[in-house]
Amino acid sequence: DAKTTQPNSMESNEEEPVHLPCNHSTISGTDYIHWYRQLPSQGPEYVIHGLTSNVNNRMASLAIAEDRKSSTLILHRATLRDAAVYYCILLPGNDMRFGAGTRLTVKP
Amino acid sequence: NAGVTQTPKFRILKIGQSMTLQCTQDMNHNYMYWYRQDPGMGLKLIYYSVGAGITDKGEVPNGYNVSRSTTEDFPLRLELAAPSQTSVYFCASSYVLLTDTQYFGPGTRLTVL
Repeated sequence: DAKTTQPNSMESNEEEPVHLPCNHSTISGTDYIHWYRQLPSQGPEYVIHGLTSNVNNRMASLAIAEDRKSSTLILHRATLRDAAVYYCILLPGNDMRFGAGTRLTVKP
Repeated sequence: NAGVTQTPKFRILKIGQSMTLQCTQDMNHNYMYWYRQDPGMGLKLIYYSVGAGITDKGEVPNGYNVSRSTTEDFPLRLELAAPSQTSVYFCASSYVLLTDTQYFGPGTRLTVL
């Protein structure tokens, strides 16, 4: 199964950009890169996903390396409400196996 | 739309008791999933269903049973509760299996003593 590697934790200041990295060196050609986040005491929520090209939506941007072995979730201006655990997963490669993710702390 | 709803929110069970965790979605999704999340860990897939009458095992199915009699409902049954099943349980649904966005419920926090 394809696996992903993320830092355990990251910190950011409020209103500054945040770049959350994810390594997935064993990604297959049919795997989509998905990002979810989990706010405290809530279920995960979808953030963004992509296959090869960079993607933007109202929540974030996803930058995918040319060889697809890594990706970066970009929050353009972090707010206190963005403090959460962020999960990078490959579908269908990961079979929805969430790792521990990256715990993002946002400082005022 | 209410999305994915789960009941109960909290439950304490004694060892050996049984219970059913309820999950309902109103998005007409064919695919539904049950996950568990242990403290400080990611989610693990217990069972999933691709439609009414069809279910399959995920990564950690032992100790659990599911059924899918309607598109909307996907209950998870614990027959003989054990302390190792203390966890937070999340139900989710999607339009397409695995590769599509999954919508999660708020979770059920279960403690087995």
